[in-house]
Amino acid sequence: RKEVEQDPGPFNVPEGATVAFNCTYSNSASQSFFWYRQDCRKEPKLLMSVYSSGNEDGRFTAQLNRASQYISLLIRDSKLSDSATYLCVVIVDSWGKLQFGAGTQVVVTP
Amino acid sequence: GAGVSQSPSNKVTEKGKDVELRCDPISGHTALYWYRQSLGQGLEFLIYFQGNSAPDKSGLPSDRFSAERTGGSVSTLTIQRTQQEDSAVYLCASSVYGEAGKLFFGSGTQLSVL
Repeated sequence: RKEVEQDPGPFNVPEGATVAFNCTYSNSASQSFFWYRQDCRKEPKLLMSVYSSGNEDGRFTAQLNRASQYISLLIRDSKLSDSATYLCVVIVDSWGKLQFGAGTQVVVTP
Repeated sequence: GAGVSQSPSNKVTEKGKDVELRCDPISGHTALYWYRQSLGQGLEFLIYFQGNSAPDKSGLPSDRFSAERTGGSVSTLTIQRTQQEDSAVYLCASSVYGEAGKLFFGSGTQLSVL
């Protein structure tokens, strides 16, 4: 089993709609979680951290479910510019080693 | 510039040749990572440097791959006797100590082995 798993998608979303997807992790000792965004043929960029209590950044909401070992990302009022691959990132040890998921592709359509 | 710089941006080489890829991290960032990404695939961890500690080399796919980081700054990833399956985008990222999840990536080196 992979340490970090994501549904590859694509999630085809009409503009203005809401989309949500999860990322599961296998190491119950993992402490820190992040969402990155990667546009086609570009480098990944940090979208947001995921806090235990859940957090929101504009139209984006991240949640952590420790009991079931997954994090989620919800995008409200989707924009065409939200089309990208969303990468889940987990810090897997105390030294700070990161593990990336393979990404979930989101395609927002007019 | 203030970002992570990688060079070259593109490298075409013949099978069996050695290549060197360079990464210049953001000044003051103690952590440096190398990843590679094949077309349509996720990021594959290669190696991780943190300050003066011994690097985590657990992701290097074979002994043809090596990396060093001089003076806690610039890093070079070397691939010896390149194979076609080495073709990928090689991404470097750096972060501040204590903020391991907040990586800043370079724009990558596209390696093509013919």
